[in-house]
Amino acid sequence: QVQLVESGGGVVQPGGSLRLSCAASGFTFSSYGMHWVRQAPGKGLEWVAFIRYDGSNKYYADSVKGRFTISRDNSKNTLYLQMNSLRAEDTAVYYCAKVPGPYHAFDIWGQGTMVTVSS
Amino acid sequence: QSVLTQPPSVSGAPGQRVTISCTGSSSNIGAGYDVHWYQQLPGTAPKLLIYGNSNRPSGVPDRFSGSKSGTSASLAITGLQAEDEADYYCQSYDSSLSGHWVFGGGTKLTVL
Repeated sequence: QVQLVESGGGVVQPGGSLRLSCAASGFTFSSYGMHWVRQAPGKGLEWVAFIRYDGSNKYYADSVKGRFTISRDNSKNTLYLQMNSLRAEDTAVYYCAKVPGPYHAFDIWGQGTMVTVSS
Repeated sequence: QSVLTQPPSVSGAPGQRVTISCTGSSSNIGAGYDVHWYQQLPGTAPKLLIYGNSNRPSGVPDRFSGSKSGTSASLAITGLQAEDEADYYCQSYDSSLSGHWVFGGGTKLTVL
């Protein structure tokens, strides 16, 4: 069964850091690109970051560029999102999603992990 | 302000047909990039509904269909059912300087 399970969310103060993880199972993780997508409370979906299957290329939304870092460990079947200099506007549910190719649909999504940035 | 524009809400009675539009530009849909659609039921993660403009993943009823023309795309739902009440999002790729993967603002479907 193909599955993505996020973890690492929580409450953090403005300016703080948090690292999210996304554990993959049921498919060959090292063959697929991966995205992070977030959804602020009551709002729509916002793409955050993408990493190629081998980690060779990474792309970021302007809103997180320079603050967030996407990475992966194919030996552990795990995707990461290191979030630094967090702001109130980063408060959201963060989802990881798998894609067959860069321009393809996000075909499998995790259940999400909530990040709250508040003092 | 989303790069892809969707109506905030649509509604229909059970059994009726509704459509949801997704309007883009020459740097995304009009550039030939595929449009994908996702369904998000209340309190759950998004689920892929339509990929590659008009293809349904295994398990998605044929009541759902997608199309694309020029700089726009549409999702049609026929034989509306109460369980279809959800938020729907279109998504594509944008080749502009600050672009990359983009979503529509989402459309809330209410089954009357």
